[in-house]
Amino acid sequence: EPEVTQTPSHQVTQMGQEVILRCVPISNHLYFYWYRQILGQKVEFLVSFYNNEISEKSEIFDDQFSVERPDGSNFTLKIRSTKLEDSAMYFCASSTRQISTDTQYFGPGTRLTVL
Amino acid sequence: AQSVTQPDIHITVSEGASLELRCNYSYGATPYLFWYVQSPGQGLQLLLKYFSGDTLVQGIKGFEAEFKRSQSSFNLRKPSVHWSDAAEYFCAVGKESSYKLIFGSGTRLLVRP
Repeated sequence: EPEVTQTPSHQVTQMGQEVILRCVPISNHLYFYWYRQILGQKVEFLVSFYNNEISEKSEIFDDQFSVERPDGSNFTLKIRSTKLEDSAMYFCASSTRQISTDTQYFGPGTRLTVL
Repeated sequence: AQSVTQPDIHITVSEGASLELRCNYSYGATPYLFWYVQSPGQGLQLLLKYFSGDTLVQGIKGFEAEFKRSQSSFNLRKPSVHWSDAAEYFCAVGKESSYKLIFGSGTRLLVRP
């Protein structure tokens, strides 16, 4: 069964450093998403991406964040200058269509620890 | 604004017992409702979803959920819990004009042998 994969599973970085989290969505999916879950808190939507542009973003997704689909298979989340409060589990998801008619399939997550 | 409430942080049941996990949502129109399960070290796996039609939906692993508009609820049920069901369960809501899912805070299920 096709699945969303994410690398690395755990990333440790120093505050102020740039990190790139990588995701390989399911191959025939067209919509891509990033969510995060700070320890002990809810899973929160960050951004959705379709047709090579951001289709929706939350207030969390500020100028420190960016997303890219650099090739036909990868989808990345970049945090330009990490802060302590960026420590969280980051989930990538993908779907064939917009939420109203389809399901988002999630990857296993990348745990980001900012020291 | 949309919101999802899962009032139970932890639930413990005995293996073989029935289970009901509660979910209440706040949204003016008909929502799109989901239950996901997260096992340790795993991603979020979809158990079931409700978009329209029959208000009782069947999912994987023997789970079902019932949409009750009058109570703004979408509770998850299973008639007989297995030890492998121990995990964290998340209710989520979406709407047609948006790409995002809004999640509840989750319910951690523990299963007693």
